[in-house]
Formats: sequence, structure tokens, C-alpha cells
Amino acid sequence: KAGVTQTPRYLIKTRGQQVTLSCSPISGHRSVSWYQQTPGQGLQFLFEYFSETQRNKGNFPGRFSGRQFSNSRSEMNVSTLELGDSALYLCASSHGGETQYFGPGTRLLVL
Amino acid sequence: AQKVTQAQTEISVVEKEDVTLDCVYETRDTTYYLFWYKQPPSGELVFLIRRNSFDEQNEISGRYSWNFQKSTSSFNFTITASQVVDSAVYFCALSVDGSASKIIFGSGTRLSIRP
Repeated sequence: KAGVTQTPRYLIKTRGQQVTLSCSPISGHRSVSWYQQTPGQGLQFLFEYFSETQRNKGNFPGRFSGRQFSNSRSEMNVSTLELGDSALYLCASSHGGETQYFGPGTRLLVL
Repeated sequence: AQKVTQAQTEISVVEKEDVTLDCVYETRDTTYYLFWYKQPPSGELVFLIRRNSFDEQNEISGRYSWNFQKSTSSFNFTITASQVVDSAVYFCALSVDGSASKIIFGSGTRLSIRP
């Protein structure tokens, strides 16, 4: 079974721009969660989607948003990028939320 | 509040040594899950193990073993006969409310295995 895939793997943006990251979960998995990883804050939960509905949300500003499509693929959008948004963004999928399987991540650099 | 503490920031050992990574957690919930993940330099978090709060049996998988002790709120991870490929950052994590949709991660332990 193919694992979680994320595109793009690397991204460079400038302040004020917006970015969209994509995640394809493991086949059959309906839950997709997003995490931000930075050296200073570690791994932080962004949000989780299940059957196209946001089920949980972390403590991030409204600039961070996401959605899930009927095929369980998910996208995450960050608007008005700030330097502090530079991070590794990890997507994880699970069948129903029990165990999360992570993708390789997207490294975002904001200049 | 829930919390996961990995007091060891970095560990460096010589290949073939045994090494134990410590994890201490805090939660008032009686139902919870504990996890260990490995993050190699490539960045992907690799799932290693999940334990629920009602299962205190220790587990062994090849060179890996886990010791879960509710009495001390610890979930330690031991690598026996370490290898260079074990070099990575290891994260212990906690999930409450019966699902893993909102995992709380420890700060991670960077393990370096020297040849």
C-alpha cells in the first residue's frame, strides 16, 4: 500500500504571499491531520479532517486553513505568509484516528 | 493538562551499545494512547508503536523494546545493539480522548550512533 504523499516537498515563498500544500492519504484512510514542526515550537497540531469535515483544530491563527475532498485528499492553505511560518509541514492519515501515519512533509521557507 | 517530557535532548553512543530513551507523560485521563515515532533526516515521521493505557505489557520487536509503567507514568524505549541506521530524532507522544487526532508530542531525543 502506498504511504502518505505530500506535494510539493520544498517551497520558497516571500512574506505576504499565500501557499497551498497538498496531501494524499493512504488508500482507505478517511482522517487527515496536519502538523507544523519548527525548531523552537516542536510539533504542533494544526487541524484534522474526517469525511470532508474539520473535526479538530489546533491553536493557530485564521490564516491557516484547510479542506478535504471527497477522495480524502487534503489541502492546507496559509495566507499572508510571515517569516515565522517557515517550517516543516507534516500531513498524517489514519483510518479512523487511532494511529497516525505521516508523510515526508513539505519544507516551507518564507523570505 | 496533558504533557510529554523527553528529558534527554541528545544521546550519542557507539554502535552496538544498548540505549534507552526516556519518556514521561502527564494526563488525568484514564483512557489514553502512547506512541513512539522515529524521524530520520529525511523528515518523515515513522510510526514505531502504539500502546493504550490498559495494556501495560512490555513489547519487543527485534532490537526494539518498550517498557510501559503506569505507576511512574513512563513509556521508555530501548534499542539493543544499536546500529548507525538508528540515528534519528525519536518522539514520544500522547493522545487522550480515545483518538489520535490531536497528538501531543514530546520535544524529541536526537540519537546519534557512532560507528
